[in-house]
Amino acid sequence: DSGVTQTPKHLITATGQRVTLRCSPRSGDLSVYWYQQSLDQGLQFLIQYYNGEERAKGNILERFSAQQFPDLHSELNLSSLELGDSALYFCASSQNTGLPGDTQYFGPGTRLTVL
Amino acid sequence: EDKVVQSPLSLVVHEGDTVTLNCSYEVTNFRSLLWYKQEKKAPTFLFMLTSSGIEKKSGRLSSILDKKELSSILNITATQTGDSAIYLCAVLAQGGSEKLVFGKGTKLTVNP
Repeated sequence: DSGVTQTPKHLITATGQRVTLRCSPRSGDLSVYWYQQSLDQGLQFLIQYYNGEERAKGNILERFSAQQFPDLHSELNLSSLELGDSALYFCASSQNTGLPGDTQYFGPGTRLTVL
Repeated sequence: EDKVVQSPLSLVVHEGDTVTLNCSYEVTNFRSLLWYKQEKKAPTFLFMLTSSGIEKKSGRLSSILDKKELSSILNITATQTGDSAIYLCAVLAQGGSEKLVFGKGTKLTVNP
């Protein structure tokens, strides 16, 4: 158990819909990262938040957005869903002390299926 | 564009064999290289290698970073069926901020 929690575990929805995925980082971790893992693309970095502010952006679509709240939990919003958005979405957290190679700890993931 | 390439993509061995997994990278402002093991769900951390710590060992697993060749290897000796997993290599790069770039992984299957 990494200490990172994600809800829900599984989500099945239809194309065109909007969903929200939630992540609570490990106690004391200020950074939250979101990743998408699909069979053909592997693990892709989407976005990072640090202490409530966006810190880095990866391959995140415009239909997707995220935020980190004052209590440091984060939500990833996916809208106008397409079949290709079906994937495992991971959240990870790290202390982000600025030291090289802060280790990221992954949550159990949310499996999203778009029908 | 930052890139991490792992090889082989898939490997099937018998228990007791020794395996070597490879990871090469092209990133700007390298900070560190991490190895993860992914079984059923979330990746779990194995090793982190930086310029100041280019070799790590834990039990039957060991890893070396070659900064000159921009690569790393993960060795597993005396493999067990419980080692069956996808092994992910990731490089932490510093652009305007940190980002972790993953390879596609090596799927290791250890047969009894």
